[in-house]
Amino acid sequence: SQELEQSPQSLIVQEGKNLTINCTSSKTLYGLYWYKQKYGEGLIFLMMLQKGGEEKSHEKITAKLDEKKQQSSLHITASQPSHAGIYLCGAPDRGSTLGRLYFGRGTQLTVWP
Amino acid sequence: KAGVTQTPRYLIKTRGQQVTLSCSPISGHRSVSWYQQTPGQGLQFLFEYFSETQRNKGNFPGRFSGRQFSNSRSEMNVSTLELGDSALYLCASSLAGLAQETQYFGPGTRLLVL
Repeated sequence: SQELEQSPQSLIVQEGKNLTINCTSSKTLYGLYWYKQKYGEGLIFLMMLQKGGEEKSHEKITAKLDEKKQQSSLHITASQPSHAGIYLCGAPDRGSTLGRLYFGRGTQLTVWP
Repeated sequence: KAGVTQTPRYLIKTRGQQVTLSCSPISGHRSVSWYQQTPGQGLQFLFEYFSETQRNKGNFPGRFSGRQFSNSRSEMNVSTLELGDSALYLCASSLAGLAQETQYFGPGTRLLVL
């Protein structure tokens, strides 16, 4: 199985500030997914990283995959209240071709105006 | 394209009852996975179906079962409900359920067991 640890567990930032969320794996990562969840709702797909060193950006959110460190980071630039929610990282089962995902416990982000 | 839909969105049951949840995947997606989310355990994989066959199963008791129909719609059933089954149940769909494919999640069904 795959174990993912996210840090920090929660984050409170003022609007306009930058922030970083980390996701560390207990094993080699063979892909990493980032999702956002509003409390009690479904997961919204943000980004998928497949190769070490890969970096992707969407609007003000950038995610990187550091294969050697078995870690991924999600960086938000100039945060806005709309960025608030729970950010979850997920990874497929190592060695399997099937898409079962293991998830971290999530990072709760609050952005105050 | 319509997203993943789940019905019902909310459900209240009592211990010992059974419940059936439904999931309609994105059009063209043939893989449907089910996850349980609780504050204590986080998001945990229940099972995955592809072409009406269960291909993968998580570590849940046999009270949790599912099926998939020829149109890729899926249902999951929980029998003899326990208080600990209270959770948000999420389904996700992808084209073929492969590791490199993105899984798209539905809004979830919140189940409360009293």
